[in-house]
Amino acid sequence: QVTLTESGPALVRPTQTLTLTCTFSGFSLSTTGMCVSWIRRPPGKALEWLARIDWDDDKYYSTSLKTRLTISKDILQNQVVLTMTNMDPVDTGTYFCARGASVGLDYWGQGTLVTVSS
Amino acid sequence: DIRVTQSPSSLSASVGDRVTITCRASQTISSYLHWYQHKPGQAPKLLIYVASSLQSGVPSRFSGRGSGTDFTLTISSLQVEDVATYYCQQSYSNPWTFGQGTKVEI
Repeated sequence: QVTLTESGPALVRPTQTLTLTCTFSGFSLSTTGMCVSWIRRPPGKALEWLARIDWDDDKYYSTSLKTRLTISKDILQNQVVLTMTNMDPVDTGTYFCARGASVGLDYWGQGTLVTVSS
Repeated sequence: DIRVTQSPSSLSASVGDRVTITCRASQTISSYLHWYQHKPGQAPKLLIYVASSLQSGVPSRFSGRGSGTDFTLTISSLQVEDVATYYCQQSYSNPWTFGQGTKVEI
């Protein structure tokens, strides 16, 4: 079955770089049409789509965050990595990875809570 | 970017009520609009994809309609377990975007 699991630091200091890893199973990111997105939810706020990487290595980013985000994939390890630079307390929230294509995000990880604080 | 605007931002209804949530896109998105249910501490769950297709395993009381810029999610008979925040999301063009959410309470 399809599973996705997010991992990364629970606490990040302001100005530091956050690195999150999404480890998945049950599908291959080399399959045509497959993609993985990162989404976050700050406390008390809405879901926010952050970035996506496609099977052909195309990458897409949130307009407001694109200068701070980098997404990459490791096909052999079945992982997608998201880095976000210059972290700020407003970046505190739960970060999710999800499998999906233009027909919706059909499988999600449970999310990982990231707190930005000095 | 395409903006998707949901209404209402919150609602309170009784068990058995019919509930409708609206999503409006800032430009036409064909049928590339999807609906999710999110409960605290859980992963969001895909309910409806491409406007009106029911995701496998989702109860039939959930339905979606619309195309172009205007879309609706309807819960035909609200149940206690439907208490959650609901989001629409467009995948017509990059970057993908979510609506601001509708909190449904009983």
